[in-house]
Amino acid sequence: SQTIHQWPATLVQPVGSPLSLECTVEGTSNPNLYWYRQAAGRGLQLLFYSVGIGQISSEVPQNLSASRPQDRQFILSSKKLLLSDSGFYLCAWSSTENTEAFFGQGTRLTVV
Amino acid sequence: KQEVTQIPAALSVPEGENLVLNCSFTDSAIYNLQWFRQDPGKGLTSLLLIQSSQREQTSGRLNASLDKSSGRSTLYIAASQPGDSATYLCAVRPSGSYKLIFGSGTRLLVRP
Repeated sequence: SQTIHQWPATLVQPVGSPLSLECTVEGTSNPNLYWYRQAAGRGLQLLFYSVGIGQISSEVPQNLSASRPQDRQFILSSKKLLLSDSGFYLCAWSSTENTEAFFGQGTRLTVV
Repeated sequence: KQEVTQIPAALSVPEGENLVLNCSFTDSAIYNLQWFRQDPGKGLTSLLLIQSSQREQTSGRLNASLDKSSGRSTLYIAASQPGDSATYLCAVRPSGSYKLIFGSGTRLLVRP
């Protein structure tokens, strides 16, 4: 069966520090991968998605970037965090046939 | 541009009641619609996926319907239990797109 791992679960970082959040999927190959952000009291905002290694689509211009160095690995990064980057970050995957989407347990990022 | 709306934003019911959560979307050109559950501070758990060609899906006490032409979906929960308390999110995948567009969710409280 397929599983998705996301870490760390919580993170407190100072303004201006770098960020790296990692997501890996097991039990499937060539998944579509997604990064979403959920701000307090708001809906989920799609940040990036990837349909293959090295293929990244950005949805919202911002202080973040994403990379997909391996088929089942998706990384969210920032060189310098802003206070506004605080939020709950969720990784998700779906098959290339665009069927059901599955989410990780999320990372709570607090920028101080 | 696809927009997804969920009404009500919050709902409180006594245990044992049957209830309906509503989801509406502005563009009927969708590939599928998915209902999720989110517990506080956790990731999203997939509940039901309805393909655009389907009218409904059932899983246990949950039944989701889809009326694509009118841009509506409902999630019916039978015999609600306190353990059903969570935020319920619906998301649509537009035709020809890799993205999921989310509503803001309905926060459900089932009182013992």
